[in-house]
Amino acid sequence: EAGVTQFPSHSVIEKGQTVTLRCDPISGHDNLYWYRRVMGKEIKFLLHFVKESKQDESGMPNNRFLAERTGGTYSTLKVQPAELEDSGVYFCASSPRRGGETQYFGPGTRLLVL
Amino acid sequence: GQQLNQSPQSMFIQEGEDVSMNCTSSSIFNTWLWYKQDPGEGPVLLIALYKAGELTSNGRLTAQFGITRKDSFLNISASIPSDVGIYFCAGQLYGGSQGNLIFGKGTKLSVKP
Repeated sequence: EAGVTQFPSHSVIEKGQTVTLRCDPISGHDNLYWYRRVMGKEIKFLLHFVKESKQDESGMPNNRFLAERTGGTYSTLKVQPAELEDSGVYFCASSPRRGGETQYFGPGTRLLVL
Repeated sequence: GQQLNQSPQSMFIQEGEDVSMNCTSSSIFNTWLWYKQDPGEGPVLLIALYKAGELTSNGRLTAQFGITRKDSFLNISASIPSDVGIYFCAGQLYGGSQGNLIFGKGTKLSVKP
């Protein structure tokens, strides 16, 4: 069974540009989560999808971040326009059902905004 | 917001030594998890704890869910070079409807052969 995949693995962009990150969860997993780790800090929750619906987006930093999960399969996270403080590693995780179920993480996308 | 205090921040040990790290919080959690992250990879689940007082082992790893639900520790016995990496504790809130995890800042483990 394929794990959670993320694309791209690395992205280097200039401040003001737009970047779109993609996450493909494990097949059949309804729950999809986005997390971010800024260097030296803890991994922080961004948002949670249940199928195509946003269950919790309380961790989204601001309106420059837009997440979608059309059709309840893969998800995208767009940052527009990117700022320097957006640099970090963006992780996606999926789980089959909520509340205590194991979340399986992808390898992450390393974003550097110059 | 909720915070997990994870310590130590880093450890440098000799191969064969035992390792201990812990997490504490002011909040009650109903689940405690321990993850390991290798360079260039995402966190991989090592041990999941669901009941207060629970003590669970996974090979050379042992973790416990504190009685107060506010803390957890992870022990690694007889460390080997492949134990190198960053270890994260994570919790899910007690009674919450959210599925999101709250992470500690990580413990970076270095093992000298």
